[in-house]
Amino acid sequence: QKEVEQNSGPLSVPEGAIASLNCTYSDRGSQSFFWYRQYSGKSPELIMFIYSNGDKEDGRFTAQLNKASQYVSLLIRDSQPSDSATYLCAVNGGGSYIPTFGRGTSLIVHP
Amino acid sequence: GAVVSQHPSRVICKSGTSVKIECRSLDFQATTMFWYRQFPKQSLMLMATSNEGSKATYEQGVEKDKFLINHASLTLSTLTVTSAHPEDSSFYICSAHPQGVTDTQYFGPGTRLTVL
Repeated sequence: QKEVEQNSGPLSVPEGAIASLNCTYSDRGSQSFFWYRQYSGKSPELIMFIYSNGDKEDGRFTAQLNKASQYVSLLIRDSQPSDSATYLCAVNGGGSYIPTFGRGTSLIVHP
Repeated sequence: GAVVSQHPSRVICKSGTSVKIECRSLDFQATTMFWYRQFPKQSLMLMATSNEGSKATYEQGVEKDKFLINHASLTLSTLTVTSAHPEDSSFYICSAHPQGVTDTQYFGPGTRLTVL
């Protein structure tokens, strides 16, 4: 059973701060890692994907992958109230192209 | 690029009727499409995986005779909820995996189904 774990939150940060969202996974064979953002009542939106160990930056977002420790994180710099949403971690690989989703972490950015 | 549409966005129906939901990839061909269901404040639940031209693969516990999936072309998949009941009320979301692209999938906007 492949598992992807996320703290459900809510994670509350002040506007302008760095929000750090974490995700751990059980399948060591996992190869692809994704972060989605989901606003209430809407469908998930792909934010970033990462395949290699290390950091990947895109604007205010940085994905960090550590395969040895089996975790992937998402940092959001200069958090804005519009970043308030649920962030889903998804993991592919180990012989399957079907992603396994975590339950999501609720982020609240307060002014 | 990578736009996925769903129709309808919202549907209200009477118990016992059937509802068809369409999922289209607008600017790419989708080798595989996925159908998810999400209840309020819960995580995404994968219902089935559909590949163009072949039968869908259903997840454990999902009734294939109740949730009919057809993937007739590389840009269209449909989900039909047959004989819908109030417990089928949920948010149904499709996603599409672009042909030839490493395992990234893009989600449609979702369909909110309410069965009275």
